[in-house]
Amino acid sequence: KAGVTQTPRYLIKTRGQQVTLSCSPISGHRSVSWYQQTPGQGLQFLFEYFSETQRNKGNFPGRFSGRQFSNSRSEMNVSTLELGDSALYLCASSLISSTYEQYFGPGTRLTVT
Amino acid sequence: ILNVEQSPQSLHVQEGDSTNFTCSFPSSNFYALHWYRWETAKSPEALFVMTLNGDEKKKGRISATLNTKEGYSYLYIKGSQPEDSATYLCASLDQTGANNLFFGTGTRLTVIP
Repeated sequence: KAGVTQTPRYLIKTRGQQVTLSCSPISGHRSVSWYQQTPGQGLQFLFEYFSETQRNKGNFPGRFSGRQFSNSRSEMNVSTLELGDSALYLCASSLISSTYEQYFGPGTRLTVT
Repeated sequence: ILNVEQSPQSLHVQEGDSTNFTCSFPSSNFYALHWYRWETAKSPEALFVMTLNGDEKKKGRISATLNTKEGYSYLYIKGSQPEDSATYLCASLDQTGANNLFFGTGTRLTVIP
């Protein structure tokens, strides 16, 4: 079974630009979550999508948004990039269960200059 | 937002040593505790998902225990090997029913051959 894939793996953008990251979950997984990791911080939950609907959202500004398509693929968009948005963005998929074990992708390393 | 803490932040042990680290989480509204291993240049990989007080889980030389009443979990590695070198993350899920994992900042383990 193929794992979670994320594209692109690396990205360099300048302040003020916007960026879209993509995540393809494991086949059969309908829940997709996004996390941000910055140096010294744990994984910070951004949001979770299930059946094309955002079910949960973390404590991030409205510049961070996402969506999910009918095939469960998900995209995350960050508008008006700031230097502090430089981070590793991880996507994870899970089966719908009560404990939500996460299967992570390799991440997208975003650098904002 | 749940405050999940891990200690120590980093650990260096000799090959063959046994080691353990701690994850503390709020005991109120607890639902599940996850442990992940994150090797450099790879994706985080689930080790254990635990829900019951007193639960013990084992995978090879790695085991974990859970105390939901006092809000902590221990991860043990017996006879550490260089391939155990990784960051070990714990994450807590509360009873809101939301897929909203709160991660600690991790314990970085280095096993010296």
